[in-house]
Amino acid sequence: RKEVEQDPGPFNVPEGATVAFNCTYSNSASQSFFWYRQDCRKEPKLLMSVYSSGNEDGRFTAQLNRASQYISLLIRDSKLSDSATYLCVVILDNYGQNFVFGPGTRLSVLP
Amino acid sequence: NAGVTQTPKFQVLKTGQSMTLQCAQDMNHEYMSWYRQDPGMGLRLIHYSVGAGITDQGEVPNGYNVSRSTTEDFPLRLLSAAPSQTSVYFCASSYGVSGRGGEQFFGPGTRLTVL
Repeated sequence: RKEVEQDPGPFNVPEGATVAFNCTYSNSASQSFFWYRQDCRKEPKLLMSVYSSGNEDGRFTAQLNRASQYISLLIRDSKLSDSATYLCVVILDNYGQNFVFGPGTRLSVLP
Repeated sequence: NAGVTQTPKFQVLKTGQSMTLQCAQDMNHEYMSWYRQDPGMGLRLIHYSVGAGITDQGEVPNGYNVSRSTTEDFPLRLLSAAPSQTSVYFCASSYGVSGRGGEQFFGPGTRLTVL
């Protein structure tokens, strides 16, 4: 089983739709969690950290469920500019080796 | 601040050639890392460093070498290029490796083709 798995996608949604992505991780000792977005042929950029109590940043909401070992990203009122690949990142420990990226979920927001 | 810079942006090598990918950051970050990204496989960690003079291997270190003589610079050396090393290489840095300190900043990438 892969350490970090994501919804395979692609997700094609109309503008204004609400879309949710899930990411599961295998190691219960994982400590920190992030969502990054990556535009085509560009570098990944931090979208948001994921906190235990859940957190929101404008139209984006991230949730963490430690018991079931998954994190989620909800995007409300999708914009054309939200089209990108969304990467889930899990940090296993404090020693640096275990930054583990998921394979990504591609989102296309259609006019 | 320039953030994380990488050079070159593109490179074509012949099998067996060696080269160094440059990476620099001006944010005084202790943690730096190199990833490769291949289609359908996500980013995989090659090598990382938790501070000047300290480096360690990641998931896919074979064929690559690193050093960290300063906080700012973290070059990646390909010892003898192979077609399997054709990929996009990203350098990243962060203040730390956990919590909010683990938020990584990426360079623009180097697209490497080995013929």
